Amino acid sequence: QKEVEQDPGPLSVPEGAIVSLNCTYSNSAFQYFMWYRQYSRKGPELLMYTYSSGNKEDGRFTAQVDKSSKYISLFIRDSQPSDSATYLCAMRASNDYKLSFGAGTTVTVRA
Amino acid sequence: DTGVSQNPRHKITKRGQNVTFRCDPISEHNRLYWYRQTLGQGPEFLTYFQNEAQLEKSRLLSDRFSAERPKGSFSTLEIQRTEQGDSAMYLCATQGSGGELFFGEGSRLTVL
Repeated sequence: QKEVEQDPGPLSVPEGAIVSLNCTYSNSAFQYFMWYRQYSRKGPELLMYTYSSGNKEDGRFTAQVDKSSKYISLFIRDSQPSDSATYLCAMRASNDYKLSFGAGTTVTVRA
Repeated sequence: DTGVSQNPRHKITKRGQNVTFRCDPISEHNRLYWYRQTLGQGPEFLTYFQNEAQLEKSRLLSDRFSAERPKGSFSTLEIQRTEQGDSAMYLCATQGSGGELFFGEGSRLTVL
């Protein structure tokens, strides 16, 4: 079993819809949680960076962490065609700077 | 552009040849990481440097792989005697003061 599980999709939504993405993990030592956006043949771009449980909002993006359930989510409001990309969750423990990634979810926003 | 810079962006080589990738980090970041990403998968950790010291290597890093970071500035990742299974995107990242990782655009390797 992988340390971080992420549904690869693909996910297709109409423009303006809310995109909901999630990951589950098994390592209870994970304390820092990230979401990256990756366009085709490009490097991952950091979208959200959160510590421990709770919510964080940045513009159209909201990240949620539920450590009790070992479950993290990313919501994209008012989705745009330019949001079409692969979204990767990543996480690490406090005493380890290496990141463990999910496999990524491919999202297409239809105009 | 003050981000992480990688080159070449794409390298096509024949099996058995050696290849080298270069990463120029964000100047004020001391920690530098190499990851490998294959199609449909998330990046996997290979190795990291604190300044010029290589502090950790993954079991994925076979003896055909070597990484250096002379003088704690740019880093190189060399793959000797390439195999088709080495075909992947090689990503370099540096770490900000808050612990977040910033990735470069990657170097894509195709081994024929």
